[in-house]
Amino acid sequence: DAMVIQNPRYQVTQFGKPVTLSCSQTLNHNVMYWYQQKSSQAPKLLFHYYDKDFNNEADTPDNFQSRRPNTSFCFLDIRSPGLGDAAMYLCATSRNRLEETQYFGPGTRLLVL
Amino acid sequence: AQKVTQAQTEISVVEKEDVTLDCVYETRDTTYYLFWYKQPPSGELVFLIRRNSFDEQNEISGRYSWNFQKSTSSFNFTITASQVVDSAVYFCALSEAQESASKIIFGSGTRLSIRP
Repeated sequence: DAMVIQNPRYQVTQFGKPVTLSCSQTLNHNVMYWYQQKSSQAPKLLFHYYDKDFNNEADTPDNFQSRRPNTSFCFLDIRSPGLGDAAMYLCATSRNRLEETQYFGPGTRLLVL
Repeated sequence: AQKVTQAQTEISVVEKEDVTLDCVYETRDTTYYLFWYKQPPSGELVFLIRRNSFDEQNEISGRYSWNFQKSTSSFNFTITASQVVDSAVYFCALSEAQESASKIIFGSGTRLSIRP
């Protein structure tokens, strides 16, 4: 089945140790998004790729970076995780621009020790 | 500025009761899109419905129904004959059809608990 896949589902890292979260999709969608969701809060958009065009949200910390080597894959890199970066990270895709429905992966829950 | 308000933080009902989740939005655009997503305890956001601003027809899908009223800027969601499996956090969301924009604004969510 076509879907959005995130690995791993749970990730534990140490304070300051770089970590990479991955997302892949079989929907062949042009747009891929990364969201951060903290407990009992709404998802917060970090950035998105429209094809190879990277779009960063103004309030996304520099500590967060992203790569999209091809249509199917997108990575979220946290260069120096702090305790405040512990959250659920959700990847989503949409066929084209924003008004298209976004389809979400199962998320990766990040724990920072 | 666009904004989505879900005033109900938590709702708890007994199974088989009907329940309505409220959503009020603000936007200056005449063209916009409204969504409802369900987030069960597993964490995945599950798409439920998308409605554009020019389509005010209410929609029914099984036990789910949506009431879109532009006059009150509301897009409410009703579950009829609720079941335990409906327990989740439900998010209402808004996006505007701006060419250069790519932002979907989520409400703060309503946590729905269905008691057996």
